[in-house]
Amino acid sequence: SQQGEEDPQALSIQEGENATMNCSYKTSINNLQWYRQNSGRGLVHLILIRSNEREKHSGRLRVTLDTSKKSSSLLITASRAADTASYFCATRGRNDYKLSFGAGTTVTVRA
Amino acid sequence: DTAVSQTPKYLVTQMGNDKSIKCEQNLGHDTMYWYKQDSKKFLKIMFSYNNKELIINETVPNRFSPKSPDKAHLNLHINSLELGDSAVYFCASSQVPSRRETQYFGPGTRLLVL
Repeated sequence: SQQGEEDPQALSIQEGENATMNCSYKTSINNLQWYRQNSGRGLVHLILIRSNEREKHSGRLRVTLDTSKKSSSLLITASRAADTASYFCATRGRNDYKLSFGAGTTVTVRA
Repeated sequence: DTAVSQTPKYLVTQMGNDKSIKCEQNLGHDTMYWYKQDSKKFLKIMFSYNNKELIINETVPNRFSPKSPDKAHLNLHINSLELGDSAVYFCASSQVPSRRETQYFGPGTRLLVL
């Protein structure tokens, strides 16, 4: 069954603005990962946050994790047209090898 | 250098046919996966192999059979194709268990069953 659910489903912003998307999940996790998918391409890993971490940064990306609320957020600062893509969260359960993906947030950055 | 490659990129076929998709990774990873992405972009795990051994087998019709001749290859054979099999199929690999357990995805195979 689907573990992660992203919100919103779609987001349209102006270049230079920040984009925030959220992910909620249902069961206890070992870690949560964010991936990007450009149109017609495979997924690319962006960032991994473990269950004992609360925040991580990577370049213009900032991820937070609230295990008490079973939710995570991905913030992209100073967005660029090249950030136009779908963003997926994926969770790995505590006793699980597999990743469970949500349906993604489609982000469009307007020039 | 392509890390995870899949062939073919596009596959158009008639209902009832049998087809195979091939995947190869040159990352030295022990674990490989097949995912199905439907038209709503929902990505669902189908199978996973670790060192040629099947470790994940989700609820997938028996018409789908994965084969791993060695740890760098994971192929997917589909028998008696149905309209509902139309989707994008992604292969991925990772090093599990590991602190770097991110998955590396191939470019996808777009399957259209007519």
